[in-house]
Amino acid sequence: DSGVTQTPKHLITATGQRVTLRCSPRSGDLSVYWYQQSLDQGLQFLIHYYNGEERAKGNILERFSAQQFPDLHSELNLSSLELGDSALYFCASSVGEEQPQHFGDGTRLSIL
Amino acid sequence: SQQGEEDPQALSIQEGENATMNCSYKTSINNLQWYRQNSGRGLVHLILIRSNEREKHSGRLRVTLDTSKKSSSLLITASRAADTASYFCATGGERLQAQLWSRTMDSSYKLIFGSGTRLLVRP
Repeated sequence: DSGVTQTPKHLITATGQRVTLRCSPRSGDLSVYWYQQSLDQGLQFLIHYYNGEERAKGNILERFSAQQFPDLHSELNLSSLELGDSALYFCASSVGEEQPQHFGDGTRLSIL
Repeated sequence: SQQGEEDPQALSIQEGENATMNCSYKTSINNLQWYRQNSGRGLVHLILIRSNEREKHSGRLRVTLDTSKKSSSLLITASRAADTASYFCATGGERLQAQLWSRTMDSSYKLIFGSGTRLLVRP
């Protein structure tokens, strides 16, 4: 058990919809990272928050947004969903940058 | 785009044999990490090697880093069926500092994952 909790585990929705993925980091970890994993793109870094502030952006679409709350949990919002957004979305946390990251088990998003 | 590229893409060995996976990357790094992923699960951190280290051990794992060749290898000795998984290298880049007027701004640190090696250990 990594200590990182992601909900929901599975999400099935339709094109054009909006969903929110939630992540609770390990106790004491200030950094939260979001990744997208798909068969064709592999594991892609989306965004990094540290103690409530955005620290880095990767290949995150404008339709996607995230935030980290004062209690350090994070949410990833995906809107105007397209078929190509179907993927596994992982959250990871770490004590700080350049430290090992601890991954949740992911949210599997299926767009019908 | 991927920073690290693992080689081979897939590897099948007999239990008890050693498994070696290689990773090549393109830019300067601060550290390189190896992760393991069982099917459908999250990644598990295995080992981190810093750019000033050449070799590191953890149990049955041995990682080497050659910054001149921009490559790393992961050796799993005496493999077990439970080692069956995908293995990813991930590179952490240099933190750049820029002077803007009187403030020093750190650029962001990103961990970039390779495409992975699928390891099958046959019992």
